[in-house]
Amino acid sequence: GEDVEQSLFLSVREGDSSVINCTYTDSSSTYLYWYKQEPGAGLQLLTYIFSNMDMKQDQRLTVLLNKKDKHLSLRIADTQTGDSAIYFCAEVNYGGSQGNLIFGKGTKLSVKP
Amino acid sequence: NAGVTQTPKFQVLKTGQSMTLQCAQDMNHNSMYWYRQDPGMGLRLIYYSASEGTTDKGEVPNGYNVSRLNKREFSLRLESAAPSQTSVYFCASSAQNSGNTIYFGEGSWLTVV
Repeated sequence: GEDVEQSLFLSVREGDSSVINCTYTDSSSTYLYWYKQEPGAGLQLLTYIFSNMDMKQDQRLTVLLNKKDKHLSLRIADTQTGDSAIYFCAEVNYGGSQGNLIFGKGTKLSVKP
Repeated sequence: NAGVTQTPKFQVLKTGQSMTLQCAQDMNHNSMYWYRQDPGMGLRLIYYSASEGTTDKGEVPNGYNVSRLNKREFSLRLESAAPSQTSVYFCASSAQNSGNTIYFGEGSWLTVV
């Protein structure tokens, strides 16, 4: 079945770049998403990329997609303490429940001053 | 902009008690979802509703029931709460069945003792 894998923890220093990686299994996914969850809050859509794109940039965020390897990454430039959160990668699940997103378990980003 | 609103935010139940989590969205979305989030497990789909009048089981439906009351509202009921249902519950909605962005509520923290 479909699965989304991502590392559980990442620690960086303020001002450095953060790169959060994700692998997925469903090659038919047309959309891939990054969500951000701050402590005690719900999931907030950060960005998404269409499967026919290799890269998408939005201010400090860069999403890279390697369809051949089914690898997605999120790069945060000039990481700030306010970026500390859990980041979820997600792909659309066409094979099972309609409209369901398959989420990774989340990467907890810790930013040290 | 209310988006997705869910209540209550916090609840403590005794084993065997029943309760209903309420969810409403004001974005005229067709699809609505209930997820639970547990440490180390990520987000798991409990039930979803692709459109008004329809509901379907997700990955972990046992112990829950849902009602799509109208296009705006999608409630989740625990008939006889168990400690294993201690979790954070998220309601979400999206415009179409597949490939469209899912928007989340702020979460409901449920503890069953």
